[in-house]
Amino acid sequence: DAGVIQSPRHEVTEMGQEVTLRCKPISGHNSLFWYRQTMMRGLELLIYFNNNVPIDDSGMPEDRFSAKMPNASFSTLKIQPSEPRDSAVYFCASTGGTSYEQYFGPGTRLTVT
Amino acid sequence: AQKVTQAQTEISVVEKEDVTLDCVYETRDTTYYLFWYKQPPSGELVFLIRRNSFDEQNEISGRYSWNFQKSTSSFNFTITASQVVDSAVYFCALSEHQGGSEKLVFGKGMKLTVNP
Repeated sequence: DAGVIQSPRHEVTEMGQEVTLRCKPISGHNSLFWYRQTMMRGLELLIYFNNNVPIDDSGMPEDRFSAKMPNASFSTLKIQPSEPRDSAVYFCASTGGTSYEQYFGPGTRLTVT
Repeated sequence: AQKVTQAQTEISVVEKEDVTLDCVYETRDTTYYLFWYKQPPSGELVFLIRRNSFDEQNEISGRYSWNFQKSTSSFNFTITASQVVDSAVYFCALSEHQGGSEKLVFGKGMKLTVNP
C-alpha cells in the first residue's frame, strides 16, 4: 500500500514567491495533519483536517499560510509570500478508521532564499 | 496545556550497550495517548508505539521496550543491545483524543548515536 505522498520533496524558492506543498493521504484515512519541523522549534502542528474540514488551524503562523483539503485524497499548504524564516521541513500525516497512529509522509524540504 | 519534555538532547553509546530515552509529559486529561516516533538520518518519521492512558502495562517488541508510569507521568523507551541502525532522533509525543482526531504534541527529540 502506498503511504502518505508529498510533493515536491525539495523546493528552493526566492523570498516573495508563492509556494504550494501537496499531500495525498493514505486511502481511507479521514484525518490529515500538516506539521513543520525546524531546528529551533522542533515539530509543530500547523493545521489538521477531519473529513476534509479544518478543525484546528491555531498553529498556522500567520496569514501568509493557508491550507485546503478539497477532497479526501488531496491537500495543499500554501505560503504566499514566502520568507526565509519559512525554511523548514514540512510533513503531512494522516490517520483514520480504527487506527489512531499518524503515518507521516517523507516531508518537503523548503528553502527560501 | 499539553507538554512533552525530553530532557536529554543527545546521547552517544557504543554498540551493544543498553540505552534509555526519557519522556515526561503533562496533561489535564484523563484520556490521552502517548507515542514514540523514530526519525533516521533519511528524515522520515517512523511510528514505533502508541499507548493509551488506561494501559500501564509495559511493552516489549524485540530489542525495544517501553515503561509507562502514570504516577510519574513518564513514558520511557529502552533499546537493549543497541545497534548502529538505531542511530536516529527519537520523539515522544502526546495527544488528547478529540472527536476522533488526535492532535499530537511532540517533545524536542533526542538524538541517539550508536557507534560501532
